[in-house]
Amino acid sequence: SQTIHQWPATLVQPVGSPLSLECTVEGTSNPNLYWYRQAAGRGLQLLFYSVGIGQISSEVPQNLSASRPQDRQFILSSKKLLLSDSGFYLCAWSLGTSHSNQPQHFGDGTRLSIL
Amino acid sequence: GENVEQHPSTLSVQEGDSAVIKCTYSDSASNYFPWYKQELGKGPQLIIDIRSNVGEKKDQRIAVTLNKTAKHFSLHITETQPEDSAVYFCAPYFFGNEKLTFGTGTRLTIIP
Repeated sequence: SQTIHQWPATLVQPVGSPLSLECTVEGTSNPNLYWYRQAAGRGLQLLFYSVGIGQISSEVPQNLSASRPQDRQFILSSKKLLLSDSGFYLCAWSLGTSHSNQPQHFGDGTRLSIL
Repeated sequence: GENVEQHPSTLSVQEGDSAVIKCTYSDSASNYFPWYKQELGKGPQLIIDIRSNVGEKKDQRIAVTLNKTAKHFSLHITETQPEDSAVYFCAPYFFGNEKLTFGTGTRLTIIP
């Protein structure tokens, strides 16, 4: 069966520090991968998605970047964190088809607090 | 652009009663309609989904109904239990943008 792992579960970082959040998927090949951010008590905002190694689509301009160095690895990064980067970051995967009308399966998220 | 509205934003239901959450979308070409449940501190989990070729789908106490003409779909939970307390999101697929667009969520509280 497929599983998705995100780490760390919680992270406290000072303003201006770098960030690296990692997400890995097991049990499937060539998945579509997604990074979402969720502000407290709010809905999910899609940040990035990837349909293959090295292929990244950005949904909103921001202080963050994403990379996919391996088929089942998705990394969210920042060179200098801002206070506004605080939030709950969720990684998700779906079957790799030509269209994304497939269920998305989420990890348990990383709660990021910027001080 | 795509527009998703979810109602109500909060819902309190006596244990054992039914709960209904409605999601309205703007893209008439949408063909996939999932519902997700998010418990505190966890990622959303898919609980039921429906495609545009059917009008209703049921899985034990959970059902989803789709009205493509009116462009809305609803989540129905019967015989509610305390463990149904969570935030529920609809996420219709928008054909033009080829992605799921999440609603703003409904916080469901089951009163024992």
